[in-house]
Amino acid sequence: DAKTTQPTSMDCAEGRAANLPCNHSTISGNEYVYWYRQIHSQGPQYIIHGLKNNETNEMASLIITEDRKSSTLILPHATLRDTAVYYCIVKRNTGKLIFGQGTTLQVKP
Amino acid sequence: DAGVIQSPRHEVTEMGQEVTLRCKPISGHNSLFWYRQTMMRGLELLIYFNNNVPIDDSGMPEDRFSAKMPNASFSTLKIQPSEPRDSAVYFCASSPAGGGLAGVGDTQYFGPGTRLTVL
Repeated sequence: DAKTTQPTSMDCAEGRAANLPCNHSTISGNEYVYWYRQIHSQGPQYIIHGLKNNETNEMASLIITEDRKSSTLILPHATLRDTAVYYCIVKRNTGKLIFGQGTTLQVKP
Repeated sequence: DAGVIQSPRHEVTEMGQEVTLRCKPISGHNSLFWYRQTMMRGLELLIYFNNNVPIDDSGMPEDRFSAKMPNASFSTLKIQPSEPRDSAVYFCASSPAGGGLAGVGDTQYFGPGTRLTVL
């Protein structure tokens, strides 16, 4: 099963772009990259997912390298409400989401 | 859309008591997942159902835990007897697609969780 590696924590200034990296060097061809976040005391929230191409939605952008071994989640204009734990997950064929420790993003005023 | 609904939101019980957690998935979703979150172990998948059938229960810690999905709109997670080490936040999630389909990306939507404390 493909595993992911993320930095334990990151800081970002309010209003700036937050770029959260993720390494998934053992990803297989039919596995998707998913990003979720968990704001304190709440359930995880879906952000975005992708297979090969870059993706963008109202919350974020996902940039996947051509070899698919790494990706970056971009929050274009971080706000204080974006402070959360961000999980990068490679979705297995069995349908399971395996959550790691994630990156704790602290957005500072 | 009301989202995934879980009840109760908080439960405090004594060791040895039976605990039942409830989940109502999003209408029309085919898959339902139960997770447990603790500081020590993070977020763990306990069991998931597809079309009301349990597909993978390898994450269920032991025989004291059981989960059912009698219909498409309701699931329970039961702990009997409960122990202090079962204290955690339990999340239910649902997704529109079926699990186990290679190459299919499906999004899981999580409920607010039930915070269980076993004294």
